[in-house]
Amino acid sequence: KNEVEQSPQNLTAQEGEFITINCSYSVGISALHWLQQHPGGGIVSLFMLSSGKKKHGRLIATINIQEKHSSLHITASHPRDSAVYICAAHTGANSKLTFGKGITLSVRP
Amino acid sequence: NAGVTQTPKFRVLKTGQSMTLLCAQDMNHEYMYWYRQDPGMGLRLIHYSVGEGTTAKGEVPDGYNVSRLKKQNFLLGLESAAPSQTSVYFCASSSAYEQYFGPGTRLTVT
Repeated sequence: KNEVEQSPQNLTAQEGEFITINCSYSVGISALHWLQQHPGGGIVSLFMLSSGKKKHGRLIATINIQEKHSSLHITASHPRDSAVYICAAHTGANSKLTFGKGITLSVRP
Repeated sequence: NAGVTQTPKFRVLKTGQSMTLLCAQDMNHEYMYWYRQDPGMGLRLIHYSVGEGTTAKGEVPDGYNVSRLKKQNFLLGLESAAPSQTSVYFCASSSAYEQYFGPGTRLTVT
């Protein structure tokens, strides 16, 4: 079983919809990252959080340490949000990350 | 600042050939990492470094070697490439928690 699990694996939405992507982890963490990767593109860090909630534009990330669960919400989704969203957990020393497999989001116009 | 850069962006190798991938960062980060990304597998750590002159094995180190002779550079070597090493390789650097990724190198081994 992977230490970091993401669901659903693939997600399709209509433009304007509210989208939620989930991440659960089975180990103790010091911080959790949400990353974005556009097709054929590089990897960009969206959020790093260790508690509570963070917001940036239309994106909101939350984490529940007790339940070992994090969510990434996208409000008023747009086709340019189509990308792979990766959850990654800081699980130990040396700033190493453990990655989920990523979720492919497609937002249709 | 250029951030994290990788050279080359694309490469095709024949089985048995060798090559070196270069990662450079200008943020004075102590930690550097090499990952590979394969369909359905997610990112997997190959090797990492916690400072100049240090290297350590990650999750999938076999068939790869690394060196960190200068703080800003982290080299990934393939001594005898195999088709199983066809992948996209990402380098990243970090000062503590946040990791900054390079643009990736797409390697095909035929």
